[in-house]
Amino acid sequence: AQSVTQPDIHITVSEGASLELRCNYSYGATPYLFWYVQSPGQGLQLLLKYFSGDTLVQGIKGFEAEFKRSQSSFNLRKPSVHWSDAAEYFCAVLPGSARQLTFGSGTQLTVLP
Amino acid sequence: EAQVTQNPRYLITVTGKKLTVTCSQNMNHEYMSWYRQDPGLGLRQIYYSMNVEVTDKGDVPEGYKVSRKEKRNFPLILESPSPNQTSLYFCASSTKQAQGFNEQFFGPGTRLTVL
Repeated sequence: AQSVTQPDIHITVSEGASLELRCNYSYGATPYLFWYVQSPGQGLQLLLKYFSGDTLVQGIKGFEAEFKRSQSSFNLRKPSVHWSDAAEYFCAVLPGSARQLTFGSGTQLTVLP
Repeated sequence: EAQVTQNPRYLITVTGKKLTVTCSQNMNHEYMSWYRQDPGLGLRQIYYSMNVEVTDKGDVPEGYKVSRKEKRNFPLILESPSPNQTSLYFCASSTKQAQGFNEQFFGPGTRLTVL
């Protein structure tokens, strides 16, 4: 069965430190890949997406993600975290022929001053 | 401003009392969808609609109904709410493209409590 896994439920980093959030998926072919962020009490905002082409994609707020086909991964990174990045982050996958977006269970990010 | 709106934002109700959560988008999107978000489970799709008069079940459709009579609106109906439907609900919409779908735009969410 197709699935999306975010292995880290909660991550804590200090402000200014680097960040990597993990996402793995299991599908037969390369799907469309997304990262969303949800700030407290807010809806979801798209950070970045991968459809095809360059496997390193840039998003908003200084985030980037790298698609690695061999590892079925789409990890989100940021070189220097800001306190305003504290939020919950969701990886989502849309198989090319499918109509349903499947979300991971989310990673809660806490940023220490 | 392009957006997805949901109403109400907060709702407390009692078991068995029918309710409707409205969703409207002003982007002329073909695709619309409803999700529920529960701690530790991420977002799970309830129903989706490919276009007017075309709806289909998602992963957790039990206890919910939807309709798509107009392109911009996609209401979620709970005919007889139960406490296990207490959740945070999101509506989303997107365009449709030949190879799949573009990213989904989300509404602000509706927090529903069923007592």
